[in-house]
Amino acid sequence: EIVMTQSPVTLSVSPGERATLSCRASQSVNTKLAWFQQKPGQAPRLLIYGAYTRATGIPARFSGSGSGTEFTLTISGLQSEDFAVYYCQQYNDWPLFTFGPGSKLDIK
Amino acid sequence: QITLKESGPSLVKPTQTLTLTCTFSGFSLSTPGVSVGWIRQPPGKALEWLALIYWDDDKRYSPSLKGRLTITKDTSKDQVVLKLTNMDPVDTGTYYCAHRGGYYDGSVYHYLTFDYWGPGTLVTVSS
Repeated sequence: EIVMTQSPVTLSVSPGERATLSCRASQSVNTKLAWFQQKPGQAPRLLIYGAYTRATGIPARFSGSGSGTEFTLTISGLQSEDFAVYYCQQYNDWPLFTFGPGSKLDIK
Repeated sequence: QITLKESGPSLVKPTQTLTLTCTFSGFSLSTPGVSVGWIRQPPGKALEWLALIYWDDDKRYSPSLKGRLTITKDTSKDQVVLKLTNMDPVDTGTYYCAHRGGYYDGSVYHYLTFDYWGPGTLVTVSS
């Protein structure tokens, strides 16, 4: 079973600045890596799939990179609505979909 | 427009069986390639995938819960049902159903991840 880890646990950033979140897989997932955003009391929202492809309606300030075992989500020009918890998820290791523990993006 | 919504009891007793229904619109589970999954989230914790059902009735389960889970579909009602037996307080959490995205490139169907989610339903296990 593939284990996903995320860092940092919490990141404090000021609005307008850039945030970089990391995700690591215990073995290669190729580019079958997704990022989700979750706000309190809401369902997760798909941001990125295929490691770097933005989902429908996702602003260009969200970008993903990486392949294999190391991935990054970058959010440029942080806006107030971007402060949330972010989860990475692999969907390469069938039959499992494995989520990371999440990174919380806080307002500094 | 794809929408999904979960329904079921908000409170179950230990050892009981939980039955949740996902009612969806905007797609058909009889269309080749389409699948619907269930994911849960204990309060304050991370997401955990539970089960997935395909248009052809193929089913996949989380190995950690496989013996307790059953997923079925009713294509005529546009519904997917999840059953989880022998409920325990550790099963408390929000349960989500979600549409799994994908696309056909002319020769192969490429499966992606969950692109549309229901709002979730909170289930508490307590006597």
